[in-house]
Amino acid sequence: AQTVTQSQPEMSVQEAETVTLSCTYDTSESDYYLFWYKQPPSRQMILVIRQEAYKQQNATENRFSVNFQKAAKSFSLKISDSQLGDAAMYFCAYVDYGGKLIFGQGTELSVKP
Amino acid sequence: EADIYQTPRYLVIGTGKKITLECSQTMGHDKMYWYQQDPGMELHLIHYSYGVNSTEKGDLSSESTVSRIRTEHFPLTLESARPSHTSQYLCAAGQGADEQYFGPGTRLTVT
Repeated sequence: AQTVTQSQPEMSVQEAETVTLSCTYDTSESDYYLFWYKQPPSRQMILVIRQEAYKQQNATENRFSVNFQKAAKSFSLKISDSQLGDAAMYFCAYVDYGGKLIFGQGTELSVKP
Repeated sequence: EADIYQTPRYLVIGTGKKITLECSQTMGHDKMYWYQQDPGMELHLIHYSYGVNSTEKGDLSSESTVSRIRTEHFPLTLESARPSHTSQYLCAAGQGADEQYFGPGTRLTVT
């Protein structure tokens, strides 16, 4: 069975600094998608970034980038130039070709001014 | 990008009542999902649908039921609410094995 593990329940970063959130997963599939979702307090879950497993190039979206290590089954999220609005719960997620999302436990990120 | 709507956003209801949580999407995505999420915790899939007249139970056992009579509508029903059902319920829609788009959620409290 596929599993997703986020080993950092909480992280903190100073405004304008860089922070990396960790995620590991387990699967026997060769083709799949990985995502990072952001869930601000009492607000909607939104997609931050996605990675297709067959692409070796790491995905980047503005200040957000990933370090995808397929062999190690690792998928970390780097947030550069952190802003107050980045404070949220971040979920790593895996989806197989059936379309079912499996989420990690979440990492709560706080940003200090 | 899909627009996903959920109503009500907040609901406080007494034990034993029957409730239906509404979810609708406007982009015609075949796949729809219901997740249950306790505060600050991970999401658990409780139901999903791959199209009209298709419904499946998810990984987390749930006493709720769902129906999919129209592509855009995926309601979730609790026949007899209990305090253990207190949680947030998130609806999502997607196409293929790609990203899912989430609704704003319904926060349910059963007293």
